[in-house]
Amino acid sequence: QLQLQESGPGLVKPSETLSLTCTVSGGSISSSSYYWGWIRQPPGKGLEWIGSIYYSGSTYYNPSLKSRVTISVDTSKNQFSLKLSSVTAADTAVYYCAMPRVVVHAFDIWGQGTMVTVSS
Amino acid sequence: DIQMTQSPSSLSASVGDRVTITCRASQSISSYLNWYQQKPGKAPKLLIYAASSLQSGVPSRFSGSGSGTDFTLTISSLQPEDFATYYCQQSYSTPPTFGPGTKVDIK
Repeated sequence: QLQLQESGPGLVKPSETLSLTCTVSGGSISSSSYYWGWIRQPPGKGLEWIGSIYYSGSTYYNPSLKSRVTISVDTSKNQFSLKLSSVTAADTAVYYCAMPRVVVHAFDIWGQGTMVTVSS
Repeated sequence: DIQMTQSPSSLSASVGDRVTITCRASQSISSYLNWYQQKPGKAPKLLIYAASSLQSGVPSRFSGSGSGTDFTLTISSLQPEDFATYYCQQSYSTPPTFGPGTKVDIK
């Protein structure tokens, strides 16, 4: 059974780079059946798709964040990662990794989420 | 980007009530509409995909309908575990976008 688990620092300083990792268990990240995404949720607010990476390595980013986002895969560790540069307080949120298994962008597998606060 | 709106933003209901939540897209999205349930401190849970397909393991009291720009999520008989926030999401185009949510609480 596929499971996802986010990890990374809970506190990041303004202007620095937020880095998170999602570890995949119960399946191979290299499978052509899957692609992997990051979604965030500021405290008390709604959900925002950040971007996704396909098994081929192709990436797709939200235009609102594209200039600051990098998503990559480490097949040797069965992990994928998120880097968000030049963070501000507006980037404070719970960050989720997620994947759709049946329909594109219908995310049915989610990590538990990790809270990241941007503050000096 | 396709904008998603939901109504109402919140509602109060009793156990056993029939509840309907509406979602509207800013342009036609065919049937590329998904519904999620989120409880406090938890990740969202996919309930309905492709407007009306019930995700595996989701109780049959949940149903979805609609196409084009207007969609509904119906809970036929509200149960105590259904008190949560519900989000719609379009998967027609990138970036996928979510509605602002509808909070269902106890009357």
